[in-house]
Amino acid sequence: EDQVTQSPEALRLQEGESSSLNCSYTVSGLRGLFWYRQDPGKGPEFLFTLYSAGEEKEKERLKATLTKKESFLHITAPKPEDSATYLCAVQTSYDKVIFGPGTSLSVIP
Amino acid sequence: GAVVSQHPSWVICKSGTSVKIECRSLDFQATTMFWYRQFPKQSLMLMATSNEGSKATYEQGVEKDKFLINHASLTLSTLTVTSAHPEDSSFYICSALELAGVSYEQYFGPGTRLTVT
Repeated sequence: EDQVTQSPEALRLQEGESSSLNCSYTVSGLRGLFWYRQDPGKGPEFLFTLYSAGEEKEKERLKATLTKKESFLHITAPKPEDSATYLCAVQTSYDKVIFGPGTSLSVIP
Repeated sequence: GAVVSQHPSWVICKSGTSVKIECRSLDFQATTMFWYRQFPKQSLMLMATSNEGSKATYEQGVEKDKFLINHASLTLSTLTVTSAHPEDSSFYICSALELAGVSYEQYFGPGTRLTVT
């Protein structure tokens, strides 16, 4: 069964304290792995797409990496405005997109 | 990045009535759009995959006669919640796939908050 999990469920960081979020997946063929940021009451905001193991992408304080079993979203020196829920999603070879449960990040000034 | 819009952004309706939600890709053509439902503090749940010119593919447990999906053009998909009940109250989000070279990106609409009284 196709499955996407994320850990931790919630993460509380001090401003400037770097950390990583994990997305693990078990799917029948990976076409792409997406990372999104979602603020309360809003639709997800696209961050990255990763397609193959070893691929890395960066945007400001965020860096996403991909292996054959999981992806990490590294947050370097986070700021309070980085507080949000971070979702990962996997597109399978059947074109189905499966979302993980999300990680709720709080960055404390 | 590409933009996906939804209309309305929120709607309140009475039990038993039907509500239509529109999802539009504003600056690209999308042969595939998705409809999601999200309950408070939970992740997105895929309801159906909508392909332009063909019938939508519904996920297990989603009633296709209740949630009617029409993908009439490459820029518009609609979700109609028929005979709405309070348990249908939720946040509905659509997304669209944009082809970018040999790969594609998925962009989300801002969501529609449905409240059924």
